[in-house]
Amino acid sequence: QVQLVESGGGVVQPGRSLRLSCAASGFAFNTYAMHWVRQAPGEGLEWVAAISYDAAYKYYADSVKGRFTISRDNSKNTLYLQMDSLRIEDTAVYYCAGSLDYWGQGTLVTVSS
Amino acid sequence: IVLTQTPLSSPVTLGQPASISCRSSQSLVHSDGNTYLSWLHQRPGQPPRVLLYKVSKRFSGVPDRFSGSGAGTDFTLRISRVEAEDVGVYYCMQARQFPHSFGQGTKLEIK
Repeated sequence: QVQLVESGGGVVQPGRSLRLSCAASGFAFNTYAMHWVRQAPGEGLEWVAAISYDAAYKYYADSVKGRFTISRDNSKNTLYLQMDSLRIEDTAVYYCAGSLDYWGQGTLVTVSS
Repeated sequence: IVLTQTPLSSPVTLGQPASISCRSSQSLVHSDGNTYLSWLHQRPGQPPRVLLYKVSKRFSGVPDRFSGSGAGTDFTLRISRVEAEDVGVYYCMQARQFPHSFGQGTKLEIK
């Protein structure tokens, strides 16, 4: 069955970096566009970034543009999110999603001094 | 694109119908002819799961008590008979263009 497992979350100070990973299985990862969506504590869903199946196209929310970088390794069935210059308002559960149809369980990122 | 959901909270009686509206600030009809409006459900402590995509197509395993309708900028999710497992927050989402966006969410609770 389809599985998306995020990892790499944790507590980090403002201004520092963190890299999230999402390991995919159970579907043809190299044919799916992939997304990152986040949810701040007690809040709604916010789309963060997307990457085409072949990594040719990448899109970002204005709130993370220039600070976050989405990438993928189709040979490893893995999606990444490099998060630099983290801010307190980046605190959220980060979900990876395959074509926004399949969702992982999420990984919590807490930005705090 | 801004998506506005109403109501934001909906207390319903078990076995009764429920409906949620989603209005878009722009048409969600893509140049390919498809309308990229989806509905998602999130139970407390769980990730979201897709119920409907392209307005009215049910995702695999979704009960037929869930239905979607609408066109252009106005869309509706209907639950024909609410069951206890339907509690949680419902979101509409547009994938018509980047950046993708979600509605604010509608909390469905049992009276």
